[in-house]
Amino acid sequence: DTGVSQNPRHKITKRGQNVTFRCDPISEHNRLYWYRQTLGQGPEFLTYFQNEAQLEKSRLLSDRFSAERPKGSFSTLEIQRTEQGDSAMYLCASSRRGLADTLKGTGELFFGEGSRLTVL
Amino acid sequence: DAKTTQPPSMDCAEGRAANLPCNHSTISGNEYVYWYRQIHSQGPQYIIHGLKNNETNEMASLIITEDRKSSTLILPHATLRDTAVYYCIGGRIGSSNTGKLIFGQGTTLQVKP
Repeated sequence: DTGVSQNPRHKITKRGQNVTFRCDPISEHNRLYWYRQTLGQGPEFLTYFQNEAQLEKSRLLSDRFSAERPKGSFSTLEIQRTEQGDSAMYLCASSRRGLADTLKGTGELFFGEGSRLTVL
Repeated sequence: DAKTTQPPSMDCAEGRAANLPCNHSTISGNEYVYWYRQIHSQGPQYIIHGLKNNETNEMASLIITEDRKSSTLILPHATLRDTAVYYCIGGRIGSSNTGKLIFGQGTTLQVKP
């Protein structure tokens, strides 16, 4: 399967612990996005990379959150000193940005299955 | 990005057409209308997108009004597997396009046998 892969799928942790999620995008995709989704709500944008550059961060991304994409391939999202309010599904998506995309506006994001975080 | 308004929930009988409406009265000229769906416990899945003209693919049809203030996603023969939350999203194109999509709360479609 060559879709977006996220690990771990489920993580239960105690408040105050650090957690890290990994996302492996579709190999030829140069854009990568992180979203967070709480129960009953739509996904909320957190941050976005084009290749290895982090180009946009939401105000939702507090200083306890850090995302990296060191070689422009996989990405990690780390949450330090977790709080119960961090409990959510963390979704990763990737897409391909090219000149043609700006003309066609493909806008097709390919999402992974998500990593569900439960903070006790 | 355009704000979209969708009904919170809809029911549809299996085998019938499901017509999901979306209002996007503030959509600008360079914004496409995208539709995604999310089946329980899975990531969102792209369905279709359009700018001005009606669009059709293997999953659905998208009908956009001439003034572009609203659209309808049509699933021609709904099955139980189409039960999901459906999101209508306005997304910008152009050189500044980040590809970022802003999701609302969507419409929960329940397909009933």
